[in-house]
Amino acid sequence: GAVVSQHPSWVICKSGTSVKIECRSLDFQATTMFWYRQFPKQSLMLMATSNEGSKATYEQGVEKDKFLINHASLTLSTLTVTSAHPEDSSFYICSASPAGATGELFFGEGSRLTVL
Amino acid sequence: EDQVTQSPEALRLQEGESSSLNCSYTVSGLRGLFWYRQDPGKGPEFLFTLYSAGEEKEKERLKATLTKKESFLHITAPKPEDSATYLCAVRIEGAQKLVFGQGTRLTINP
Repeated sequence: GAVVSQHPSWVICKSGTSVKIECRSLDFQATTMFWYRQFPKQSLMLMATSNEGSKATYEQGVEKDKFLINHASLTLSTLTVTSAHPEDSSFYICSASPAGATGELFFGEGSRLTVL
Repeated sequence: EDQVTQSPEALRLQEGESSSLNCSYTVSGLRGLFWYRQDPGKGPEFLFTLYSAGEEKEKERLKATLTKKESFLHITAPKPEDSATYLCAVRIEGAQKLVFGQGTRLTINP
């Protein structure tokens, strides 16, 4: 089956520091990965579409300089939350599809970020 | 504007009590409707994809159906382990991303 892995599962950091979250497709290659954010008891909100070898496409209202996305290979995308603040605390989830952009998405386990 | 609305927001059932979850959508060209299950603190788990009205998919106690305006996730004789949040998402024509509904929190009491 299609497996997407995220690391770390949870991270606690101090306000003002940067945090990097990795998303890997373990058994398939993904030219496109998606990063979502989820607040407690709410649904998933798409933050950005990560494209291998090119710039990410951000959704309206998402700060590009705050949430840096790098998709350096066909199996790895990273999300860096820069100068994190308590309001950035959330559950971040990545997803990818082994069938290209039109197939079903498979999600990682999620990464819970807590900014003190 | 493309919209996905799920109902009810929350549902409590007794073990063995069958029911249905609803996902209504208003989109400009559907290119797939997806059902996911999400357990607390975990990423969504893929369940079904439906592409055209009249299509049905089944997996164990779950059955998903699709019309031109909505999708239903029928759960037959549920067990406590079916307790989770069920998410519906759509992909619209010309887009790669999925748009999610708010989800239905399902609780099955033993």
